Amino acid sequence: QVQLVESGGGVVQSGRSLRLSCAASAFTFSIYGMHWVRQAPGKGLEWVAVIWYDGSNKYYADSVKGRFTISRDNSKSTLYLQMNSLRAEDTAVYYCASSSGRSITSPLGYWGQGTLVTVSS
Amino acid sequence: SYVLTQPPSVSVAPGKTARITCGGNNIGSKSVHWYQQKPGQAPVLVIYYDSDRPSGIPERFSGFNSENTATLTISRVEAGDEADYYCQVWHSSSDHLFGGGTKLTVL
Repeated sequence: QVQLVESGGGVVQSGRSLRLSCAASAFTFSIYGMHWVRQAPGKGLEWVAVIWYDGSNKYYADSVKGRFTISRDNSKSTLYLQMNSLRAEDTAVYYCASSSGRSITSPLGYWGQGTLVTVSS
Repeated sequence: SYVLTQPPSVSVAPGKTARITCGGNNIGSKSVHWYQQKPGQAPVLVIYYDSDRPSGIPERFSGFNSENTATLTISRVEAGDEADYYCQVWHSSSDHLFGGGTKLTVL
């Protein structure tokens, strides 16, 4: 059973930093692209970032570009999201999700249960 | 930038057919994926590449994509289908877009 388990969420002051982790198990983490998707309270899904299976390419939503950094450690089957200069509007549940194929158009086949980030002013 | 438009809500009686649309400029040229999200849970993929169903998803779920509208159809709707549904496309490297979501209510 594929498992993605996020951690690292919590309450943080505006302007500070936080690093999220996503530990993967029961699938070949190193051959799939990985995404972060967030959901503000009561709102819809917002794609945040993607990293290629080998870490060679990374792309970000405009709303987080320059502030967030996605990375991965394939030896540990772990995905990361470094979030700097946090703003109130970054408050959300953050999900990690795996691509289900090797194509950039592949759907997000597996999702973690999410970790809540609350940015206080 | 590219925009995906979904109706905020759709209501349907049990046993009937629900149709949830996702509008976008020439969306028929893109691959559309659909996710179901129940309250307090993570999203689940229900349709991918316009019309394919992952294993474990009932045949009652189907999808179609043409021109400017993609449609998720749920036949013989059950109470357990009540959820939020999101369409998603890849538009460009920095645009893995989600629609705004549609809340399906089973009457």
